[in-house]
Amino acid sequence: GIQVEQSPPDLILQEGANSTLRCNFSDSVNNLQWFHQNPWGQLINLFYIPSGTKQNGRLSATTVATERYSLLYISSSQTTDSGVYFCAVLNQAGTALIFGKGTTLSVSS
Amino acid sequence: DVKVTQSSRYLVKRTGEKVFLECVQDMDHENMFWYRQDPGLGLRLIYFSYDVKMKEKGDIPEGYSVSREKKERFSLILESASTNQTSMYLCASSPGGDHEQFFGPGTRLTVL
Repeated sequence: GIQVEQSPPDLILQEGANSTLRCNFSDSVNNLQWFHQNPWGQLINLFYIPSGTKQNGRLSATTVATERYSLLYISSSQTTDSGVYFCAVLNQAGTALIFGKGTTLSVSS
Repeated sequence: DVKVTQSSRYLVKRTGEKVFLECVQDMDHENMFWYRQDPGLGLRLIYFSYDVKMKEKGDIPEGYSVSREKKERFSLILESASTNQTSMYLCASSPGGDHEQFFGPGTRLTVL
C-alpha cells in the first residue's frame, strides 16, 4: 500500500519564526490533505491539495504530484499553531485516508 | 461549513459492556468513516459506509460493528468492550470519490 512519511517528527520554534513541514508519499495520489490536530484531539482541515499551491492566511501548501511530495509552510508562527500536523492521502481503493506519523510543532513565546 | 458531530467527547465503560458511539453529519455526504487513533500506531480505519445500510470493513474491524440506517448518521458499536479498545475514536464524512474528508471532534473512550 501507499506509504506516507513526514519530516521532521518534532519541531520547536520561537514565536514569529517560519517553518516548513514535508510529506513524502510512495505512489501517485488523487487526494492529499493536511490537518492540524488540536490539544483536544480534533483534526482540523487545513488544505485539500492533490496538486498545486494554496494559501490560507499564514499557512500555505504546495504539492508536486509528479515528485510525490507536499510541503506545508507556516509563517510568523504563533503559540496557537502548536500541535500535531498530519499529512494524509487516499488509499488506492479510494476509501480510507492513509496518515503519516505527524510532525509535532511546539511554538513558545 | 461541514459539521460532523460525535455523541460524546469522553466516555468511560466497563469491560463487557455494549458501547455505542454516534456520529452525525449535516452535509448530505455519501461516505462516512470510523477511525481509531493510538500512540505509535497512528490513525487506522475500522469501518466505512458509502450508502445507507452499506458498510465495508477497514483495516481493524475485529470487535466492532457499525450501523447506518439514515444517511446522516453512522454508529460504531463495541459488542463487548475490552481494555484494548481504549482509544480515541474519530468519525469522518466525505461526498465520496477523491473528495476531502471532514472529521468530528473525537471520542476518548476508556474501558476499565
